[in-house]
Amino acid sequence: QVHLVQSGSELKKPGASVKVSCKASGYTFTTYAMFWVRQAPGQGLEYMGWINTNTGNPTYAQGFTGRFVFSLDTSVSTAYLQVSSLKAEDSAVYYCAREPFRLSFDYWGQGTLVTVSS
Amino acid sequence: DIQMTQSPSSVSASVGDRVTITCRASQNITSWLAWYQQRPGKAPNLLIYAASSLQSGVPSRFSGSGSGTDFTLTISSLQPEDFATYYCQQANSFPPTFGQGTKVEVK
Repeated sequence: QVHLVQSGSELKKPGASVKVSCKASGYTFTTYAMFWVRQAPGQGLEYMGWINTNTGNPTYAQGFTGRFVFSLDTSVSTAYLQVSSLKAEDSAVYYCAREPFRLSFDYWGQGTLVTVSS
Repeated sequence: DIQMTQSPSSVSASVGDRVTITCRASQNITSWLAWYQQRPGKAPNLLIYAASSLQSGVPSRFSGSGSGTDFTLTISSLQPEDFATYYCQQANSFPPTFGQGTKVEVK
């Protein structure tokens, strides 16, 4: 049974960094790309980018370059999202999602709420 | 980027009703469209991929149709657990983009 389990909610001050984890189980981690999606409070879904779980090569969407870093630890089937220099507008739920075929996402993590507040 | 526009933004319906949600793409995406359901406080759940293919485990009351720029999600007989927000998403090209969502509310 496929599961993506994300790390818990975070409360951070502006300027701090946060690292969100997404641990996969129930399938071979390197078979499918991992995508990241953001959902601001009360808003819709926004594509952030993805990481090739075979090569570790990340691709970032426009607006998610510079402060956002995707990484992997394939030994523990885990993908990571790190956001640095946090701003209030980074407050959102961050999801990881598996892509089994052409830009469709069949399994999602439960989401990680990141709140940035002084 | 391809813009996805859903209508209506919200719909009020009762259990047993037939509900139809429309999604329009700003350019031709052939059949590369997915639909997701999101319940409050939960992650999105894939319902339909490739415009009309039902994801495994999804009830058959959900169906999708369309191609090119115009697509439809239909719930044939609304059930209590279907009150949620629904998103379309184009899967034709990077970046994948989502509609703004349609909230199905209790009438």
